[in-house]
Amino acid sequence: DAGVTQSPTHLIKTRGQQVTLRCSPISGHKSVSWYQQVLGQGPQFIFQYYEKEERGRGNFPDRFSARQFPNYSSELNVNALLLGDSALYLCASSLGGSGAGELFFGEGSRLTVL
Amino acid sequence: DQQVKQNSPSLSVQEGRISILNCDYTNSMFDYFLWYKKYPAEGPTFLISISSIKDKNEDGRFTVFLNKSAKHLSLHIVPSQPGDSAVYFCAASGISNFGNEKLTFGTGTRLTIIP
Repeated sequence: DAGVTQSPTHLIKTRGQQVTLRCSPISGHKSVSWYQQVLGQGPQFIFQYYEKEERGRGNFPDRFSARQFPNYSSELNVNALLLGDSALYLCASSLGGSGAGELFFGEGSRLTVL
Repeated sequence: DQQVKQNSPSLSVQEGRISILNCDYTNSMFDYFLWYKKYPAEGPTFLISISSIKDKNEDGRFTVFLNKSAKHLSLHIVPSQPGDSAVYFCAASGISNFGNEKLTFGTGTRLTIIP
């Protein structure tokens, strides 16, 4: 069975550019969450989407946005990139709808901002 | 404001012995706790969880203990195996928030099992 898939796996951008990261959840999972993991830190919650609706938003600036599509896949967009946005961006999926539970993570998209 | 703390960045344990990883939290609204394991170049994988209505949950070699009064939980791995070498993250959530699956993670503990 396919797990959570993310693309691209690695990318390099320059300051001020925009980036779009993509995530396909496990088949049957309706909830997708995005996390940012900076080197040496634990993952930090950015967004959660369930049935195409935003269910939660972390403490990130408006430069960060996301959406979920009818097939439950998701995109994370970051505008006006800063050096500090360099991180591993993790997508996680779950069946969703009932509160906290086990999240299944993808391998992540490693973003480097120069 | 670090609501979930893992104060030991690293831990080395002899193969076959017990590994004990610790985690403290400050937010009284947390009522569900999870441990994740992460290998390099992979996403975190779920290990074990515990609800605040319990004080112990066991799954094979892994046991999680929760002390609500101390706001402390620990993960015991026994016996430790070389494949257990990884970074372990403690995470917490408030299941009372319907549909909000936000997890708050600690900074992780790198466990090294010495053969």
